[in-house]
Amino acid sequence: EVQMLESGGSLVQPGGSLRLSCVASGFTFNTYAMTWVRQAPGKGLEWVSTITASSSIILYTDSVKGRFTISRDNSKNTLYLHMDSLRAEDTAVYYCAKDLMSMGATTYYFDSWGQGTLVTVSS
Amino acid sequence: DIQMTQSPSSVSASVGDRVTITCRASQGISNWLAWYQQKPGKAPKLLIYAAARLQSEVPSRFSGGVSGADFTLTISSLQPEDFATYYCQQAYGSPYTFGQGTKVEIK
Repeated sequence: EVQMLESGGSLVQPGGSLRLSCVASGFTFNTYAMTWVRQAPGKGLEWVSTITASSSIILYTDSVKGRFTISRDNSKNTLYLHMDSLRAEDTAVYYCAKDLMSMGATTYYFDSWGQGTLVTVSS
Repeated sequence: DIQMTQSPSSVSASVGDRVTITCRASQGISNWLAWYQQKPGKAPKLLIYAAARLQSEVPSRFSGGVSGADFTLTISSLQPEDFATYYCQQAYGSPYTFGQGTKVEIK
């Protein structure tokens, strides 16, 4: 069974930093692109960042460029999101999600999701 | 950025009804479109990808289609477990934007 388990969310002050983790199991992690998607309270879904299986391609939405860093450790089946200079508008549930297809074909369709971890940015 | 516009924003329907949700992209995205279902407090679930391909283990009452510039998600006979919010998402180019969501509510 495919599973993703996010952790690391918490209450942080504006300007602070946080690192989210997503531990994956049930599939060959090092052959799939992985993505972070967030959802502000009561709002819709927003794509944040994607990293390909080999980390050769990394993409970010404009609002987090220069502040967030996505990375992965394929030896630990773990995806990370390091977040710096946090703002109130970064408050959201952050989901990690697996790409539909394995290596050689990043589709940017997300077929399995974690349960999410809540990041609250507030003083 | 490609803007995805869903309509309606909400729909009230009864069990057994046929429901259609529409999504329009601000520019051409070929068939690079997915539909997700999200229930309160839960992660989204992939229903349809490549505009019309049914994801594994998704009931066949869900279908995706294209009509001109509009993408559609149709639920042929609404079931109690289908009351949820539905999102479209374009996979054509970064940033991979979602529609604003359509809430399917019980009439």
